[in-house]
Amino acid sequence: EPEVTQTPSHQVTQMGQEVILRCVPISNHLYFYWYRQILGQKVEFLVSFYNNEISEKSEIFDDQFSVERPDGSNFTLKIRSTKLEDSAMYFCASSSGTGHQPQHFGDGTRLSIL
Amino acid sequence: GQSLEQPSEVTAVEGAIVQINCTYQTSGFYGLSWYQQHDGGAPTFLSYNALDGLEETGRFSSFLSRSDSYGYLLLQELQMKDSASYFCARRGNTDKLIFGTGTRLQVFP
Repeated sequence: EPEVTQTPSHQVTQMGQEVILRCVPISNHLYFYWYRQILGQKVEFLVSFYNNEISEKSEIFDDQFSVERPDGSNFTLKIRSTKLEDSAMYFCASSSGTGHQPQHFGDGTRLSIL
Repeated sequence: GQSLEQPSEVTAVEGAIVQINCTYQTSGFYGLSWYQQHDGGAPTFLSYNALDGLEETGRFSSFLSRSDSYGYLLLQELQMKDSASYFCARRGNTDKLIFGTGTRLQVFP
């Protein structure tokens, strides 16, 4: 069964450094998302992406965050200058459509900011 | 508002039936999804309800009542592997999912 893959599985970074989280969505999917989950808390929406542009972003997704689909397969999340509070699990998701089409999640990248 | 509330924890024994409730605020509501998440794992899609009524998928069923702003996930014939966190998530007039607070299910032998 096709799946969303994310790399790395764990990223440790010094505060203030840039980090790029990578995702390969399911190949025929058109809608892409990033979510995050702080340890022990619920999953929170960050950004949705369709047709090579951001569809919607949350208030968490400030100027330090950006997303890119550099080629036909990868979807990346960049944090320009990381803060301690950015430590969380970051999940990429994709779906083939909107409405009733489910979003399929990757296994996540655990980001630890020191 | 768009928040969703769930019980924080539910316990049950193998073979039993358990119901996990979810209440939501109606503003901009389109449908309710359920996801399972094992510790350290990815949220895995279980079901989606856009209309009132029951959707059945094997041992799992999900119910929605739009008039009551309420839904539930029903797990039957519980197995040890069902021990996980379960999240309801609403979809509004945009694609984003807004997740509930999550319910940790512990299944005992």
